[in-house]
Amino acid sequence: GDSVTQMEGPVTLSEEAFLTINCTYTATGYPSLFWYVQYPGEGLQLLLKATKADDKGSNKGFEATYRKETTSFHLEKGSVQVSDSAVYFCALKGFAGRRALTFGSGTRLQVQP
Amino acid sequence: GAVVSQHPSWVICKSGTSVKIECRSLDFQATTMFWYRQFPKQSLMLMATSNEGSKATYEQGVEKDKFLINHASLTLSTLTVTSAHPEDSSFYICSARSSVLAGEGEQYFGPGTRLTVT
Repeated sequence: GDSVTQMEGPVTLSEEAFLTINCTYTATGYPSLFWYVQYPGEGLQLLLKATKADDKGSNKGFEATYRKETTSFHLEKGSVQVSDSAVYFCALKGFAGRRALTFGSGTRLQVQP
Repeated sequence: GAVVSQHPSWVICKSGTSVKIECRSLDFQATTMFWYRQFPKQSLMLMATSNEGSKATYEQGVEKDKFLINHASLTLSTLTVTSAHPEDSSFYICSARSSVLAGEGEQYFGPGTRLTVT
């Protein structure tokens, strides 16, 4: 079945550092890929998405490129801020009409001033 | 933006009792709602998918008689944990999808409900 693997946290960075959170997936066909973010006390929010190979999703300075050859969708940001502290979830929506998402385990990011 | 609420945000109950969790889409109509369960430091595991006015579709291994899901209107779905036991203690998250608002795969998530069974 479909699965998503993402790096364990917590990831602790200083403000303005470069961020990479790795995400790899296993799925049949051509899934759509997502990054969700969960700020403390809030629900998951869609951060960015990519629906086909080589697509790059971007939002709020975050980027991720759909790499089919490496089955990866790594999240990157060039300069993190304290306000980026949150839990980040990589997810996929598989092929064949399944509307539910398959999630990774989440990675907690802590940015220190 | 689209907002989903859950009530209560946390609940403590005694073993053997039932607990109802509500999930509401506040500013849109949710044609589909999903219920997830999250264990500490683990991913969200889909429990069931419900479409308004029809029976929920449960994932393999989820007891439908224990986790009763009702999606009676386009803005409300409820999850009732019946005869709760300590192993049911978890974080329950709902999400909602609108055929009008959602792009590819987009769902709007509630903040979650933490259930502790003593």
